[in-house]
Amino acid sequence: AQSVAQPEDQVNVAEGNPLTVKCTYSVSGNPYLFWYVQYPNRGLQFLLKYITGDNLVKGSYGFEAEFNKSQTSFHLKKPSALVSDSALYFCAVRDMNNAGNMLTFGGGTRLMVKP
Amino acid sequence: DTAVSQTPKYLVTQMGNDKSIKCEQNLGHDTMYWYKQDSKKFLKIMFSYNNKELIINETVPNRFSPKSPDKAHLNLHINSLELGDSAVYFCASSQDPLAAHYNEQFFGPGTRLTVL
Repeated sequence: AQSVAQPEDQVNVAEGNPLTVKCTYSVSGNPYLFWYVQYPNRGLQFLLKYITGDNLVKGSYGFEAEFNKSQTSFHLKKPSALVSDSALYFCAVRDMNNAGNMLTFGGGTRLMVKP
Repeated sequence: DTAVSQTPKYLVTQMGNDKSIKCEQNLGHDTMYWYKQDSKKFLKIMFSYNNKELIINETVPNRFSPKSPDKAHLNLHINSLELGDSAVYFCASSQDPLAAHYNEQFFGPGTRLTVL
């Protein structure tokens, strides 16, 4: 079985500061990893993914994430936070051997960026 | 141009009623999904359809039934609605899941279902 943990319900950061939203995962095989963002009253939007290759993945809106196999982590980062980054962030994992493309989502982390 | 659309956006109904939520995607994707997001924002997959074939069916009550008239549509029918069905339901789509580079899913705006 695959699972995802986002240990922080909320992350608070001041505008202009770097931000990190944590994610750890568990799969039996090799993982496909994703980050999605959800703005209020909206559907989820894809940010970035790790499939294979470089451990540092760059995505939309200046976000990046680092895949760390030994720590089974895929933390989301941004060097300088914007107030408009405030939203709900979801990490998701899929087992590479899962032909059904079933994504398992973490519980979400609310990011609050204050001016 | 809306990629994944859902109707209605809001649905308020009484317990015991039967209702449907429609979903359409114009991305030419092969697979469509339904997710349920509860009041605590937990997101859980309900169904997945690939070329009219159900390939995932999580442990949801059989009161819920997905219906796909064609590749671009996956509608969700719910019979005998219960209070616990109140949630936001998201439709999503993706390319062929076996094509690794197209695995990201595109989500609709959601349908907020309230059962009174």
